[in-house]
Amino acid sequence: KQEVTQIPAALSVPEGENLVLNCSFTDSAIYNLQWFRQDPGKGLTSLLLIQSSQREQTSGRLNASLDKSSGRSTLYIAASQPGDSATYLCAVIPSYSGAGSYQLTFGKGTKLSVIP
Amino acid sequence: DAGITQSPRYKITETGRQVTLMCHQTWSHSYMFWYRQDLGHGLRLIYYSAAADITDKGEVPDGYVVSRSKTENFPLTLESATRSQTSVYFCASKLREVNTEAFFGQGTRLTVV
Repeated sequence: KQEVTQIPAALSVPEGENLVLNCSFTDSAIYNLQWFRQDPGKGLTSLLLIQSSQREQTSGRLNASLDKSSGRSTLYIAASQPGDSATYLCAVIPSYSGAGSYQLTFGKGTKLSVIP
Repeated sequence: DAGITQSPRYKITETGRQVTLMCHQTWSHSYMFWYRQDLGHGLRLIYYSAAADITDKGEVPDGYVVSRSKTENFPLTLESATRSQTSVYFCASKLREVNTEAFFGQGTRLTVV
């Protein structure tokens, strides 16, 4: 069974700092990986989708990388701002069939606080 | 409005009552999902649907029923609500099985008393 881990569970950084959030998964057989942010009391907002054949994706100040062989992904946030404060979740779609096929399997997230 | 919407946003119900959570998407996405989010457990899949009239169980389906008679709607019913079903419920949709983004609704906070 695929398991997704995000460490640390919480992170606090000063405004302007560049930072990296980590995501690891136990089975490298995945179709794709998606990063989300979740603000308190809100739904999940999609940030980036990386297909299994890709190594990275970029959107504005965000850059996500994927290393399937080592079961790892990182989300790089450049020049952090207080508005970046949220919980960041990564999720993978395992490439095996069965119950819940093509579902997203989530990590528990990293809660980011950017201090002004 | 375009997108994926859930209703109600908040619901309080009593143990043993039936309650239905609604999910509507305007993109004609094939796949739809119901997740619950709980402290300590994260997001867990309850049910999913690959198309109208095609549904299947996820990780935690007990006590829930779904239907999908139309592509755009995917209601989730708690047949006899229990306190353990107090949670935040999220509906999601995506265009195809893989390599397309999943989009989430704003969630329904359900409290069973």
